[in-house]
Amino acid sequence: GQQLNQSPQSMFIQEGEDVSMNCTSSSIFNTWLWYKQDPGEGPVLLIALYKAGELTSNGRLTAQFGITRKDSFLNISASIPSDVGIYFCAGQLPDSNYQLIWGAGTKLIIKP
Amino acid sequence: ETGVTQSPTHLIKTRGQQVTLRCSSQSGHNTVSWYQQALGQGPQFIFQYYREEENGRGNFPPRFSGLQFPNYSSELNVNALELDDSALYLCASSYPLGSDTQYFGPGTRLTVL
Repeated sequence: GQQLNQSPQSMFIQEGEDVSMNCTSSSIFNTWLWYKQDPGEGPVLLIALYKAGELTSNGRLTAQFGITRKDSFLNISASIPSDVGIYFCAGQLPDSNYQLIWGAGTKLIIKP
Repeated sequence: ETGVTQSPTHLIKTRGQQVTLRCSSQSGHNTVSWYQQALGQGPQFIFQYYREEENGRGNFPPRFSGLQFPNYSSELNVNALELDDSALYLCASSYPLGSDTQYFGPGTRLTVL
């Protein structure tokens, strides 16, 4: 099935560092979403973006909807241990009001 | 407010068997979507149910079928199981129809031997 290109695949960081990850697509999206999934749980919505160029924050998380509508990034500032997990981007195509297309995830690991 | 629940948590089946997975949507949510998540991958959309009717379908064969009941709970049925069907199956509920804010359950881990 179709997937977004999400990078990096994994990140090893020190506590307190800033984190950046992104998603790209060959298709235009109407909506970009960022989710976090912890082990044994379903994804939880972090940030939703609806307009090209939109920059939205949720606490230490900031995400942007790319101007071309084909990309998005997520930044986490001053990472803490509970930030570990897998982060997914997901997008909604213009011709679909129900189907989300997902990236393969970025696994965030905090070095002891 | 009760969140999305799924049962069972884990399931082991053999090739050729049939399986039924269940999902209770969050209170007030009339739309349920099902996803398949293979290990190390993002979720893949299977189908969505709205008011007991299939509202849309991803690229999955007909042996993947579903139901939605009047209380908005839902079932995913998979016939003639194949080894590649081993995955985490996620259910998500939302309201209203077309909402991108989907609330996910913890999933059912299916292993096909």
